[in-house]
Amino acid sequence: ETGVTQTPRHLVMGMTNKKSLKCEQHLGHNAMYWYKQSAKKPLELMFVYSLEERVENNSVPSRFSPECPNSSHLFLHLHTLQPEDSALYLCASSQEFGETFFGQGTRLTVV
Amino acid sequence: DQQVKQNSPSLSVQEGRISILNCDYTNSMFDYFLWYKKYPAEGPTFLISISSIKDKNEDGRFTVFLNKSAKHLSLHIVPSQPGDSAVYFCAASPGGGGSNYKLTFGKGTLLTVNP
Repeated sequence: ETGVTQTPRHLVMGMTNKKSLKCEQHLGHNAMYWYKQSAKKPLELMFVYSLEERVENNSVPSRFSPECPNSSHLFLHLHTLQPEDSALYLCASSQEFGETFFGQGTRLTVV
Repeated sequence: DQQVKQNSPSLSVQEGRISILNCDYTNSMFDYFLWYKKYPAEGPTFLISISSIKDKNEDGRFTVFLNKSAKHLSLHIVPSQPGDSAVYFCAASPGGGGSNYKLTFGKGTLLTVNP
């Protein structure tokens, strides 16, 4: 139990599908993040939410749409993805002065 | 341009010996550094950190050394155990709090500890 829970753990979707990744943190943190890990690349920060407001968007394509309805939940809505978007998507959370805790990730395959 | 570099994709050591994992960074604004450990099919877990005001931080078998002038840090694991076999990520942050607390990661080094 990591305190940060992601669902689903695995997802296969077609390029025309719409799906959503869900993340929930039970740590009382005030910041949540989406990271992407592709093969042979560093872990990349996609989005940062602090106090439920998006404060960072690292030039992520609009086919990825985040949503943070409250401080405990974070979604990543996906539509018209490309095969190169296949990757491990990690959710994370942190408190103002503390380490970042990660979920177990969603392994996404776009076919 | 990669701001955090782990130039060794893999490292293999014998159980009981020392493992040394290296990390270099280029951004002078980084002032807080972390090591994360990742097992297959799991998210990274925090291992140890160091602030730029220190040059060494020790926690049990794990010690992180920071050389600011060289923009280099290393993680020492001694003695190494088979359960330490994992991918180790170096990460750096410009510090601050809240939304400023964001991490830049290296590509990771796969450590294999042989019994």
